[in-house]
Amino acid sequence: GQNIDQPTEMTATEGAIVQINCTYQTSGFNGLFWYQQHAGEAPTFLSYNVLDGLEEKGRFSSFLSRSKGYSYLLLKELQMKDSASYLCAVRDNYGQNFVFGPGTRLSVLP
Amino acid sequence: DVKVTQSSRYLVKRTGEKVFLECVQDMDHENMFWYRQDPGLGLRLIYFSYDVKMKEKGDIPEGYSVSREKKERFSLILESASTNQTSMYLCASKPGTSRNTDTQYFGPGTRLTVL
Repeated sequence: GQNIDQPTEMTATEGAIVQINCTYQTSGFNGLFWYQQHAGEAPTFLSYNVLDGLEEKGRFSSFLSRSKGYSYLLLKELQMKDSASYLCAVRDNYGQNFVFGPGTRLSVLP
Repeated sequence: DVKVTQSSRYLVKRTGEKVFLECVQDMDHENMFWYRQDPGLGLRLIYFSYDVKMKEKGDIPEGYSVSREKKERFSLILESASTNQTSMYLCASKPGTSRNTDTQYFGPGTRLTVL
């Protein structure tokens, strides 16, 4: 079966650091993706991991442990505009299909 | 920049009506996808297509059909709309290459309400 879990909601303060976790159990694995989705808008690509370890991209970093079926997205120096939903998605072995988690709604407070 | 467009941002239909949702991409992508997004459930795949006239069922195809007559256009059809099909519908496209970093590109979504 396919199962991806994320916390439903998180709250953090402007300027702080927040970590959004994602655990997955999928029949295949060919990469894990994080997307950002502002309310009423399309998801946009943030980061990609296929090997274990940390990928850093400015204020955003993503970590993957394939043996644990675990990833996290780390957001530093939070800004109000980071208030959005963050979607974790696993790509299947054939590299075409994506299985999405339910998304984590992050609220950044002043 | 990749551009994926959807025919409507908001749509209101009545139970039993036939509904067409259109999606067009301008990057010559081989793969196109239709998802629905509901609170607490995330994005669920309805249908996808990896080439013209080719289609594959996703996780929740019941009550839907699709059409891909041209590479750039992928249509989702609700033959007889029902209230449980009220949802946000997202179209996405992706190159058909095997490059690991290839992600999906999403359209702005169509919020469909069935009364």
